[in-house]
Amino acid sequence: EAGVAQSPRYKIIEKRQSVAFWCNPISGHATLYWYQQILGQGPKLLIQFQNNGVVDDSQLPKDRFSAERLKGVDSTLKIQPAKLEDSAVYLCASSSQFRRGNEKLFFGSGTQLSVL
Amino acid sequence: KQEVTQIPAALSVPEGENLVLNCSFTDSAIYNLQWFRQDPGKGLTSLLLIQSSQREQTSGRLNASLDKSSGRSTLYIAASQPGDSATYLCAVSQGAQKLVFGQGTRLTINP
Repeated sequence: EAGVAQSPRYKIIEKRQSVAFWCNPISGHATLYWYQQILGQGPKLLIQFQNNGVVDDSQLPKDRFSAERLKGVDSTLKIQPAKLEDSAVYLCASSSQFRRGNEKLFFGSGTQLSVL
Repeated sequence: KQEVTQIPAALSVPEGENLVLNCSFTDSAIYNLQWFRQDPGKGLTSLLLIQSSQREQTSGRLNASLDKSSGRSTLYIAASQPGDSATYLCAVSQGAQKLVFGQGTRLTINP
């Protein structure tokens, strides 16, 4: 079974530029998550999709971050314009069912973003 | 607001020792608690998931316990090996699979 695929693996940009990350979840997984992990901290949920609908985006900085999951499969996370504090690893995860927290999440390897 | 804390932030032990990693959380209304492993430059791998009604889970040399009333969990690693070196994260779920993570414990096993 293929895992969660993310690209690119690394990205270096200057502040005020824009950047996009792509995620392909495990086949058949209805729930998709984007997490931000700043160095030395645990991951923080940015947005959660159930199929192509948003379940939770309460911690997404909506003035600069946007995400979409067209057709309920692949997802794209965009930052525009980027700030220095956006430097982090962006992790995508998926799970098979939307129930009350009884399913394991499967994580991709992440995209490491450096904003200079 | 749920807060998850892991102590210590870093731990270094010689190979072969048994060790315990600690995790505490402030809100006991959780659905489950998970322990993850993260290797440098990699994503997270789920190690153990304990439902809120359970007290412990075991997988090989790993044993995780949960005391929901006191807001604590421990991850016990028996007979540590250099390959166990990684960052270990605990996370609690408060429904809808929304996980709140601790900051992790960076574990180094010295040969």
